[in-house]
Amino acid sequence: DTGVSQDPRHKITKRGQNVTFRCDPISEHNRLYWYRQTLGQGPEFLTYFQNEAQLEKSRLLSDRFSAERPKGSFSTLEIQRTEQGDSAMYLCASSRDRVTGELFFGEGSRLTVL
Amino acid sequence: SQQGEEDPQALSIQEGENATMNCSYKTSINNLQWYRQNSGRGLVHLILIRSNEREKHSGRLRVTLDTSKKSSSLLITASRAADTASYFCATVPVNDYKLSFGAGTTVTVRA
Repeated sequence: DTGVSQDPRHKITKRGQNVTFRCDPISEHNRLYWYRQTLGQGPEFLTYFQNEAQLEKSRLLSDRFSAERPKGSFSTLEIQRTEQGDSAMYLCASSRDRVTGELFFGEGSRLTVL
Repeated sequence: SQQGEEDPQALSIQEGENATMNCSYKTSINNLQWYRQNSGRGLVHLILIRSNEREKHSGRLRVTLDTSKKSSSLLITASRAADTASYFCATVPVNDYKLSFGAGTTVTVRA
């Protein structure tokens, strides 16, 4: 399977715990995006990497959120001290190094904070 | 904040009928894309239309773009039960690189 993969698909955690999500993009894609989607809404941009450089972070990404993409390969999104408002689907997408290309999405990681 | 708004929010049609949904956006764009999302799954790219194009077809899909009105429409012809999903428009604004999504249209195709 050469698509975008995300792990875990589902995570249930208690408020205050830390969680980490992993995304493996399509191998030849330089660009990697994280989006968050809540029920009934469209995906909202969180952050973007070109190779290993994090080029933009949304205001939605508070200090409790951190994302990395070491060596320009896989990426991780960590949420510290989770809150109930963090419950959402976290989507990863990748694209080739073009300004206007389509995004290839993973199946998402659904987070439930109790 | 989300760039686009889809209309209607929900649509229920009989199998074989056509489904039309609209998208309006706020700023000048490089291109506009449509995605489909089945319940609990990731998004799948359907079609991309550039700002200098007015209409594009792909299989049973027809997309139009009116940059003067900042609007687009997606037509699905001869709908099937498998077309049941949420459909999102997404725009790439000029001088930007990230897609901004609308809230989507939920389409239910009844057998």
